[in-house]
Formats: sequence, C-alpha cells, structure tokens
Amino acid sequence: SAVISQKPSRDICQRGTSLTIQCQVDSQVTMMFWYRQQPGQSLTLIATANQGSEATYESGFVIDKFPISRPNLTFSTLTVSNLSPEDSSIYLCSGGELGRNTQYFGPGTRLTVL
Amino acid sequence: AQSVTQLGSHVSVSEGALVLLRCNYSSSVPPYLFWYVQYPNQGLQLLLKYTSAATLVKGINGFEAEFKKSETSFHLTKPSAHMSDAAEYFCAVSPDSLIQGAQKLVFGQGTRLTINP
Repeated sequence: SAVISQKPSRDICQRGTSLTIQCQVDSQVTMMFWYRQQPGQSLTLIATANQGSEATYESGFVIDKFPISRPNLTFSTLTVSNLSPEDSSIYLCSGGELGRNTQYFGPGTRLTVL
Repeated sequence: AQSVTQLGSHVSVSEGALVLLRCNYSSSVPPYLFWYVQYPNQGLQLLLKYTSAATLVKGINGFEAEFKKSETSFHLTKPSAHMSDAAEYFCAVSPDSLIQGAQKLVFGQGTRLTINP
C-alpha cells in the first residue's frame, strides 16, 4: 500500500493570503486527487492532479482559486489562493494506481482562515 | 450520475452490540464501492472494498459489508462493537470503471459512530 504524507498538517492564515499544501507519496502512483472536507461535512473532490499537465477540475472549482502542480509521479501541491473564512476546511490528497481499485489518503491539512 | 446515501448521520451502540451502518448507492454501471473510516484528527483509512468479486466483503478490524444489487445497498456491519470503533465512517462509490482507470470517489455524507460503555 502507498503511504501518503502532507505538509503542513495544519495552518492558520489571514484573509487574502495563500497556502500551498504539499503531498508526497512513498511510491509511484498514476492517479492523484485533491479533496476538500468542510467542517462537519463529507469529502468533495476538487481536482485530479495530472503529471506534467494541467489538473482536471470538478464543477465548482477553478484553477485560479486552486492551482495544482504535479511535477512527477510521487509529488503534488495544491494552493488555495486569496483565502477567505469559507476556505477553512481539511484538504486531503490521495493516490492510486491506474486500473487498480484502491485509493490511499494522506492525513489531511487543517486550514483555518481568520 | 453516481451517488451514495448514508442513512443516519449519527449511530450510537453499546459496547459489544451489533454495528450496522447503512449505505445505498445509485449507479448506472456496475459500481465499485468502498467504506472508509476517519478517526478524530486523522485522514481516511480504507476498511473494505467491493469490486464485483464476492458479494460479502471482509475488511479490517472485524468489519464486513454485503453488496446487494437488488437493494442497491452496501451496508457495513460488525458483530460486536468495541470502544475503539468510535469514528466517522464514509461510504464511497467510484463512478469510473477500471477500464477508464480514474478512481475519483463520490462520498456519502458520513455516519458518526458512538460506542457507549
């Protein structure tokens, strides 16, 4: 199984600033995803991180607000831009192998926006 | 579009009692179904998965789930609850087939399980 780590584990940010979250996988995975979990809510997919190309965003999420990079098969970053209190959530990354049916999750990054 | 409904946002059982967490899905194609558990302040851990093999799936920590196509259900059970089972449980469906390869998940609303001593 893949082990996924995220940095930072939590952060408190001011309104209008940005936060970049890093996701590192201990083995090569084909698919990487970013999810948001708002307080007391379930997980919602933000985007699929594609290696070497632009991420694929779900409805309601845009690149200007959530730019994503994936320079290789084991690393991805998510930036949450122009922060507002509504962005306070847990952000989780996940990874899985193409054609396999198991997806592993990182521990999440808890973001609080003041 | 695929979707998942978890019946009951909160379930409370006594230690040693049966745990039953309900999940119904909607899918136009044979689904891949998953149960994940989230302990406080932690990420998600895979409990078990259904991928069109056996309809009764056994997972970790004594949990199991049965896929019932006629009822479009994938309920999670454990015969005897333990205090350490207290957590949030999420049912999820993968809307894409393995042929396409994408594994993005659609999650249910979650069920918070409380264990009473």
